[in-house]
Amino acid sequence: GAGVSQSPSNKVTEKGKDVELRCDPISGHTALYWYRQSLGQGLEFLIYFQGNSAPDKSGLPSDRFSAERTGGSVSTLTIQRTQQEDSAVYLCASSLDPGLRTEAFFGQGTRLTVV
Amino acid sequence: AQSVTQLDSQVPVFEEAPVELRCNYSSSVSVYLFWYVQYPNQGLQLLLKYLSGSTLVKGINGFEAEFNKSQTSFHLRKPSVHISDTAEYFCAVSDRNGANNLFFGTGTRLTVIP
Repeated sequence: GAGVSQSPSNKVTEKGKDVELRCDPISGHTALYWYRQSLGQGLEFLIYFQGNSAPDKSGLPSDRFSAERTGGSVSTLTIQRTQQEDSAVYLCASSLDPGLRTEAFFGQGTRLTVV
Repeated sequence: AQSVTQLDSQVPVFEEAPVELRCNYSSSVSVYLFWYVQYPNQGLQLLLKYLSGSTLVKGINGFEAEFNKSQTSFHLRKPSVHISDTAEYFCAVSDRNGANNLFFGTGTRLTVIP
């Protein structure tokens, strides 16, 4: 597609359930980022993938969060045993240049609500 | 590590008035600086960026920002705002030496009043 695609756009889940959020980056973009946007909190970095290098997981808030990127393309963010504080908009972005000298393109996000 | 501070969470301004959205950063290394905009119900998009060279950077929709190394600032300005500029604006910083991460501020909501 022309842009970064995220699915689902909205997800309501019960506390304690696992969820998977998907990101399809722009074709050819080697860098992929996950962020979390909470009300009044700005964008919180979660994880960064660059090509075949080991991902930068330094932003993951707990071991309930994990992410993978298959074949250098599609990425899945998994949240296990969801908690109410996990409710937020999860944003994915991709960039052609890992040095960020070119633009990072963002998807529309997945709004996660944990009830 | 880098961090970004946007002191103003909300900025109301009348249409056709000038506006400045403040951004300060902290970093122990040289950085790239960015402003992103998020219009209502839309994704983030790049407004402008500073990589090197001239400290005054011009972006889309008439916005510009000035990199001030001594004050570690990258304030965003527009001389005359329109209703359509109502949006959330995010300042971001990246380490130019290879950390390849993008750290965002908490955002400033600009509301243009008719």
